[in-house]
Amino acid sequence: DTGVSQNPRHKITKRGQNVTFRCDPISEHNRLYWYRQTLGQGPEFLTYFQNEAQLEKSRLLSDRFSAERPKGSFSTLEIQRTEQGDSAMYLCASSSRTGNYGYTFGSGTRLTVV
Amino acid sequence: GEDVEQSLFLSVREGDSSVINCTYTDSSSTYLYWYKQEPGAGLQLLTYIFSNMDMKQDQRLTVLLNKKDKHLSLRIADTQTGDSAIYFCAEIPTSGTYKYIFGTGTRLKVLA
Repeated sequence: DTGVSQNPRHKITKRGQNVTFRCDPISEHNRLYWYRQTLGQGPEFLTYFQNEAQLEKSRLLSDRFSAERPKGSFSTLEIQRTEQGDSAMYLCASSSRTGNYGYTFGSGTRLTVV
Repeated sequence: GEDVEQSLFLSVREGDSSVINCTYTDSSSTYLYWYKQEPGAGLQLLTYIFSNMDMKQDQRLTVLLNKKDKHLSLRIADTQTGDSAIYFCAEIPTSGTYKYIFGTGTRLKVLA
């Protein structure tokens, strides 16, 4: 297993377009998280799945954002009608049931909205 | 409220020790973490400490936890140029989930 994989690494899109990002977690990890990181800031929590169930969503996750993890494996994060303020690094992480021992992060998807 | 604070920058000479500090506000946090982020990369877990511990040592890394003052520090011994990165502390508040609250990060620059 090569860790948490995110695709694409970079995405440039025009304002108003929809974008979708994919995350493939470590196969034996049942928990999956999405975070957003803007320049000069620490990551901010967006949402969290345990298996296929989305257990928590941040208030940052407006109705333009949706995340899925249909079979409890990979996850997608979709942003509809992108705005310039959505420009950020989107980080995915996974952990085992004993997640207190830390997450494994992917390398992130950098989104630029022009 | 939940808030984690760190100083923004630290510069040290190669071979010296680095100490990165963090303060947190959720006294009920049971797990505290240090992550490292290199340019353009995701976050790499360095170490973690349980709230019932005062100190944890892992090779060149020493974590000190002062629960009374809600202060966490990361000491890197014999700092190398490869240690140049942004270091984040993070806590998991005992709110029944596993989401992290991250600090703003400390940019460590190691001078040769």
